[in-house]
Amino acid sequence: QVQLQESGPGLVKPSGTLSLTCAVSGGSISSSNWWSWVRQPPGKGLEWIGEIYHSGSTNYNPSLKSRVTISVDKSKNQFSLKLSSVTAADTAVYYCARAMVGGNYYMDVWGKGTTVTVSS
Amino acid sequence: SSELTQDPAVSVALGQTVRITCQGDSLRSYYASWYQQKPGQAPVLVIYGKNNRPSGIPDRFSGSSSGNTASLTITGAQAEDEADYYCNSRDSSGNNGVFGGGTKLTVL
Repeated sequence: QVQLQESGPGLVKPSGTLSLTCAVSGGSISSSNWWSWVRQPPGKGLEWIGEIYHSGSTNYNPSLKSRVTISVDKSKNQFSLKLSSVTAADTAVYYCARAMVGGNYYMDVWGKGTTVTVSS
Repeated sequence: SSELTQDPAVSVALGQTVRITCQGDSLRSYYASWYQQKPGQAPVLVIYGKNNRPSGIPDRFSGSSSGNTASLTITGAQAEDEADYYCNSRDSSGNNGVFGGGTKLTVL
């Protein structure tokens, strides 16, 4: 079965760029799925960040759109998140997830999450 | 602010039935999916589409929808169902995902 694993620095300085990668195993990133990023600040709810299709098509949360870039690397079977100009408000657990988008929309496979702290 | 609205907290007596709701205009066009999240764990999909359960999800979990409201019902709540529950759907444009604010379920 498909598994997802997030990786990246756990600490990012304010005004810097947060960079995370999600490795896909047990399946192909070129399947008919969208690949998503979701985050959860400490003690708060889930926030959808954005998604990418293997063709490179992307959708981003309007509130983050100016700072977010999601990309896909089919050769490595992984996708990535970059969030620029970070502040303490970007401190969160970041999850990657596989999404079905179409007749039904849902995220059926999730990574375990990785904690990113923004601090000097 | 979220385009999907959930009650922050709901409680249910052990073995009783509880309904968790999610409201939003986009739910007139898109089904909601529902996720269970326990402390320190990633969310788990429990309901998607009209009323579909992924493999391994107990049949006491069910979903329904009417107008701008989606509901997750747990029939015969168990102690292990105590968790946060989030609804998720597309926004009004259909281009983006959106989560409700979450409902903390307490099983008494």
